[in-house]
Amino acid sequence: NAGVTQTPKFRILKIGQSMTLQCTQDMNHNYMYWYRQDPGMGLKLIYYSVGAGITDKGEVPNGYNVSRSTTEDFPLRLELAAPSQTSVYFCASTGRANYGYTFGSGTRLTVV
Amino acid sequence: DAKTTQPNSMESNEEEPVHLPCNHSTISGTDYIHWYRQLPSQGPEYVIHGLTSNVNNRMASLAIAEDRKSSTLILHRATLRDAAVYYCILRDVGDTGNQFYFGTGTSLTVIP
Repeated sequence: NAGVTQTPKFRILKIGQSMTLQCTQDMNHNYMYWYRQDPGMGLKLIYYSVGAGITDKGEVPNGYNVSRSTTEDFPLRLELAAPSQTSVYFCASTGRANYGYTFGSGTRLTVV
Repeated sequence: DAKTTQPNSMESNEEEPVHLPCNHSTISGTDYIHWYRQLPSQGPEYVIHGLTSNVNNRMASLAIAEDRKSSTLILHRATLRDAAVYYCILRDVGDTGNQFYFGTGTSLTVIP
């Protein structure tokens, strides 16, 4: 059972470039989330989804987009990378509204 | 959103019990209390959660005050592997769905 898988693990982007962070889960979870974690800080919610075709903004959505075409996948898109988006990005999922989350191992992104 | 307050850091000796406190004075009647931990360079890991009654699992125990304005995560015998940042989080259902908001947590140092 793979759980939540994130790719890539590391990436360096130049300012203005675009990229997609991939997240997939094999637990048939309805709820999926994207968080970012800046150095020494807690996690901040970027976007979340309560099921295929449904997404909504979290605390810090600016500069990001998401889609949820299937239950398994929840990609996060950065259109015009900025240095402020340098962070570690975590994807998470849960099967029921009040169950614990399963997190991926993270993507460390540096924008230079 | 109901918020939590935790000490920034705590220390414990190896093989001794650890009590990690969390204050949540504005908790609502339907808020669950969740605990996660994050080991260095890893994604957060679910530890335990509860509503009103104390809870036990293989990782830890959760003691919830009678007025639910505070809770304590108890690690019965700290090991070096328990050195991590521990997050106390309230589930916020609100009008925008089910998502967790993380603070900065308590950084636990375990002394050999």
